[in-house]
Amino acid sequence: SQQGEEDPQALSIQEGENATMNCSYKTSINNLQWYRQNSGRGLVHLILIRSNEREKHSGRLRVTLDTSKKSSSLLITASRAADTASYFCATDSRIAGNMLTFGGGTRLMVKP
Amino acid sequence: DVKVTQSSRYLVKRTGEKVFLECVQDMDHENMFWYRQDPGLGLRLIYFSYDVKMKEKGDIPEGYSVSREKKERFSLILESASTNQTSMYLCASSPHENTEAFFGQGTRLTVV
Repeated sequence: SQQGEEDPQALSIQEGENATMNCSYKTSINNLQWYRQNSGRGLVHLILIRSNEREKHSGRLRVTLDTSKKSSSLLITASRAADTASYFCATDSRIAGNMLTFGGGTRLMVKP
Repeated sequence: DVKVTQSSRYLVKRTGEKVFLECVQDMDHENMFWYRQDPGLGLRLIYFSYDVKMKEKGDIPEGYSVSREKKERFSLILESASTNQTSMYLCASSPHENTEAFFGQGTRLTVV
């Protein structure tokens, strides 16, 4: 069964706006990661946040983690058309044998 | 740069054929993964290997087997391909637990 579930499944915004995607998971985790996938390609790692961290930044990306609610959010600020992609959260859990399990993803479209 | 190479981008096989999907990584990573990706279902873990000759079943191992005879190579085997195994297959590797994963470009397999 999938550990993470993203919300919303699809998001459409104008260039320059911020995009927020959420991820919920079920069991305790070692870390939570966000990945990006351009259409028909492999996934690219964006950011990793450990279970003892609450917030992390990387360029225009901001990730928060709330372990009490078992949820995370990815914020992309000042979005660009090139940010159009699918975004996935993944959890690394000792309970799951350190396997990396993914959610269903959020499809983001940024309109020029 | 870490490179994860999948042997084929596109593959068409007949029902009942034995199919081998090959994945090679060049960074001496301990962990390797095979996922399949289907619309609306996200990435689902098929098998995971944390060392040579070691493997763990993921969420959907039925109909698949794997082989890891050398650290750099992780093969996914469809013993008798069926049409419901038509999918995008993604291989990934990571140095050890609690780290990011690096993905190959994916193999789009069609079983006819």
